Amino acid sequence: GQSLEQPSEVTAVEGAIVQINCTYQTSGFYGLSWYQQHDGGAPTFLSYNGLDGLEETGRFSSFLSRSDSYGYLLLQELQMKDSASYFCASHGGDSWGKLQFGAGTQVVVTP
Amino acid sequence: DVKVTQSSRYLVKRTGEKVFLECVQDMDHENMFWYRQDPGLGLRLIYFSYDVKMKEKGDIPEGYSVSREKKERFSLILESASTNQTSMYLCASLGQGAHEQYFGPGTRLTVT
Repeated sequence: GQSLEQPSEVTAVEGAIVQINCTYQTSGFYGLSWYQQHDGGAPTFLSYNGLDGLEETGRFSSFLSRSDSYGYLLLQELQMKDSASYFCASHGGDSWGKLQFGAGTQVVVTP
Repeated sequence: DVKVTQSSRYLVKRTGEKVFLECVQDMDHENMFWYRQDPGLGLRLIYFSYDVKMKEKGDIPEGYSVSREKKERFSLILESASTNQTSMYLCASLGQGAHEQYFGPGTRLTVT
């Protein structure tokens, strides 16, 4: 089957660095995306990795290793507004754009 | 500004009722998706459509159907609502060749 595993919750203080790991089993895999969702809000796209390596977008970076079926999202210089759920989502299968989502990681940022 | 809208933020229906959830996007996207989101389960794909009148089953299509008569509109239908369909329903759209899905605000459906 297809599945993604990520931790359920991470707590960190303002200014810290948090890494959210994601392992996946996806047939026909071709990429990994990350989405952020605040309580009561819609998921919003953060990043996409189609190739191995690190993609950096401001304070957030995302990494992919195809050989390990593994990726992570790195949140740097944590701010209170970063408290949210973060989902990894794998792209694969025979239909463009079809995503398989992980269960989500709730990040709690404390003062 | 990109926009995906859903017909209702909150909806309460009775068991056995037929329920329509509407989603409209203004980005001329080919692909549209319906997900349900439940605590601890993430987002699960119900149905998606890659063109007008085209649809494909996602991971949990049982008890649902969809309709896409126009490019900008994708409807989710619960033929006979049941209590286990109480959930948050999210619609999304995606441009051809793109990676970023744009989500609507969601409809929280309660079936009593």
